[in-house]
Amino acid sequence: GAGVSQSPSNKVTEKGKDVELRCDPISGHTALYWYRQSLGQGLEFLIYFQGNSAPDKSGLPSDRFSAERTGGSVSTLTIQRTQQEDSAVYLCASSGGAATVNYGYTFGSGTRLTVV
Amino acid sequence: AQTVTQSQPEMSVQEAETVTLSCTYDTSESDYYLFWYKQPPSRQMILVIRQEAYKQQNATENRFSVNFQKAAKSFSLKISDSQLGDAAMYFCAYRVGSYGKLTFGQGTILTVHP
Repeated sequence: GAGVSQSPSNKVTEKGKDVELRCDPISGHTALYWYRQSLGQGLEFLIYFQGNSAPDKSGLPSDRFSAERTGGSVSTLTIQRTQQEDSAVYLCASSGGAATVNYGYTFGSGTRLTVV
Repeated sequence: AQTVTQSQPEMSVQEAETVTLSCTYDTSESDYYLFWYKQPPSRQMILVIRQEAYKQQNATENRFSVNFQKAAKSFSLKISDSQLGDAAMYFCAYRVGSYGKLTFGQGTILTVHP
């Protein structure tokens, strides 16, 4: 696609439920990143996929968080047994690395997760 | 660990005036990139400008320019001829190499007054 697509754009869930957030990166981008942005705060790194390499999971805050990337394309971030502190905007980005015009990322519009 | 600090939680500027947003970073790396991103209320992060650490010349993109002081580890953003559409949250970010995670500052909310 032309941009990074994230779904759903908004999600309200009850505490204790599991949620899945989806990210569809730009076609051909080998790197995919997940970030979390709490209200009025900066972006907190969660996980990074690069090609066929093992993902960098160093930012995942607990074992309730996991992510996978199937076929080097679509990624799903799963949060199990959601807690109120998980409420945030979850942003996905993809990058083509050195071949990308601006060496930066292209971000999606995020999923706003609200845990009630 | 690399850190990025934006010391100005909020800034304001009159339309058509110039404003400078500050950013400092801490790293022991030599090959790195610095970025400024804009986040309007739509939530989408938009790349404003980037700077490669090995380049001495400051990057410029139309009304946006940076003052990159490598020894001081400072990377400020200057917005000239400010427009109402420039109002947003601005994030400074750092990355080692061409791939890898971005480390973000806490952001600066910019308000533009007509």
